[in-house]
Formats: sequence, structure tokens, C-alpha cells
Amino acid sequence: QKEVEQDPGPLSVPEGAIVSLNCTYSNSAFQYFMWYRQYSRKGPELLMYTYSSGNKEDGRFTAQVDKSSKYISLFIRDSQPSDSATYLCAMSAQSSYKLIFGSGTRLLVRP
Amino acid sequence: EAQVTQNPRYLITVTGKKLTVTCSQNMNHEYMSWYRQDPGLGLRQIYYSMNVEVTDKGDVPEGYKVSRKEKRNFPLILESPSPNQTSLYFCASSPFGGSGELFFGEGSRLTVL
Repeated sequence: QKEVEQDPGPLSVPEGAIVSLNCTYSNSAFQYFMWYRQYSRKGPELLMYTYSSGNKEDGRFTAQVDKSSKYISLFIRDSQPSDSATYLCAMSAQSSYKLIFGSGTRLLVRP
Repeated sequence: EAQVTQNPRYLITVTGKKLTVTCSQNMNHEYMSWYRQDPGLGLRQIYYSMNVEVTDKGDVPEGYKVSRKEKRNFPLILESPSPNQTSLYFCASSPFGGSGELFFGEGSRLTVL
């Protein structure tokens, strides 16, 4: 079993839809949770960063962490075609020197 | 502009022909790392470096070597490439160690025939 599981998609939605992307994990020591966005032929770039449980909002993006369920989510409101990309969740433990990545969910927002 | 630069971006080579993928960052970051990205497997760490002359294995180090002689450079060396090393490679750097925000290069697509 992988430490971090993520549905690969692809997920296809119409412009303006609310998108929900999710990851589950097995290591209860994870404390730092991130979402990276990767456009085609580009490197990943950090989108959202949260510590421990709770919500964090940044514009149209909201990250949620539920440590009791070992489940994290990224919500995108009013999705745009420019949001079409692969979204990777990543997480690490406090004492760790590395991030563990999910395999990524490919999102397509149709005009 | 703050960036991580990898070269080459695309390379086709043959089994056994040694190659080096260069990585350079201009942000004065102490931490650097190499990842490979394969369909369904996500990003897997090959090697990382906490500082100059300090390197350590990641999850999939077999068949790779690295060196960190200068803070800005972290080359990835494939001494004898094999077809199972065909992949998309990313170099990344961070000011906060490997568990913080990573800044990625644009990737190097390697094909080994």
C-alpha cells in the first residue's frame, strides 16, 4: 500500500464548476500538507500549504486537512480553463527531510 | 529571476552510455533534491543534499550518482543508463529542508534505448 493515495483521474468539469480533489494517507506522523499544481511540460509549483488540521483559503482555492480520517482535500471554486493541470498532494512528518507525493490527479476544465 | 535550471531538457541515449543531467539554482538554497516522475507512480526521490558535500539516498537511488561540490549545483549522473531509467526527471531546491516548499526545475525527459 502506498503511503499517499490519490485518484489519477482524469477529472473533466465544465467551466465554473466546483472541483474537489482528494488524497488519503496512512502515516499518522504527517503534519505538513501541500498541494502542487503541474502544468504540462512544466515542473510542479506550490499552490497551498497547511500545517496540521483545519482549513486554509486563498482566493478560489481552499485546502482542508482531516487528520482523524487521514484525508486531505483541495477545493477549487469557479473553475477556469487555466486551472487545467495535474494536481499533486504532498506531505511530510515534522522530523522528516522529505516530502511524500501522491501520484497526481489530472484536471480538465472545459470552456 | 529566481529559478532552478536543468539541462538537457530532452535527451535520447543508448544503454550504457554515461550521461549527466545538470541542475543549478540561483536562490542560495541549501537543500537540493532529484526526483523522477513516472505514470501512476508520482514523484519519487532519487537523492537529496542538505548542503555542500552532504548527500543522501532517497527512495530510488539505484543506478544514479550525485555530487554537491558547490551550493548552487547538484548534477545527476547515470553511469550506465538502462531502459528502466527512461523517465521525467526533476531537480528541486528549498530554503527550509525537504519538508518545506520545493522549487522545481522544468524537468528533463530522458529516453534510454
